[in-house]
Amino acid sequence: GAGVSQSPRYKVTKRGQDVALRCDPISGHVSLYWYRQALGQGPEFLTYFNYEAQQDKSGLPNDRFSAERPEGSISTLTIQRTEQRDSAMYRCASSLLGGHEQYFGPGTRLTVT
Amino acid sequence: RKEVEQDPGPFNVPEGATVAFNCTYSNSASQSFFWYRQDCRKEPKLLMSVYSSGNEDGRFTAQLNRASQYISLLIRDSKLSDSATYLCVVKGFNKFYFGSGTKLNVKP
Repeated sequence: GAGVSQSPRYKVTKRGQDVALRCDPISGHVSLYWYRQALGQGPEFLTYFNYEAQQDKSGLPNDRFSAERPEGSISTLTIQRTEQRDSAMYRCASSLLGGHEQYFGPGTRLTVT
Repeated sequence: RKEVEQDPGPFNVPEGATVAFNCTYSNSASQSFFWYRQDCRKEPKLLMSVYSSGNEDGRFTAQLNRASQYISLLIRDSKLSDSATYLCVVKGFNKFYFGSGTKLNVKP
């Protein structure tokens, strides 16, 4: 079956612009996680959802970052007024509710110029 | 202090060697433990869960010491295809905390 998909795969944007990153989880996976991964580092937790409810957003760096999952399936991570320090790989992962195994998408490489 | 600490390596070993990676975690209330593998420019994938009694999956053996908050991964008879970054992962309160990874290079 289809795995986790993310779009766009690459995004180059100018400082100050808003970007929206999309994640389409595995069908039937209730839990969805967003991570940011810098080069040479492990994924860093941003936020997660069970169904459409955002359970924890403690990892979002500041209020320019937000996420939603309105119908409990596809999720969007939005970064407003992007800054160069936002440049990173943004990864989405999904799992069964309470599941131990996370399935990661291919990521969106964001570059802010 | 980071939730999960790992030696970044790289570990450069010949084929057939045995290699061990360690990691420590800071939250004693952590509930579940894993090793993930990440190939260059790819997404992380679950390698194995780590159980309190220790567990083995073919050439891979994982150990957990809750008292010392220490997790290990042993790879026996290393293959070229084992070259990757190995991420130590700890789950607590439905959040997953990833270490920065240990890079393994297996040489012919």
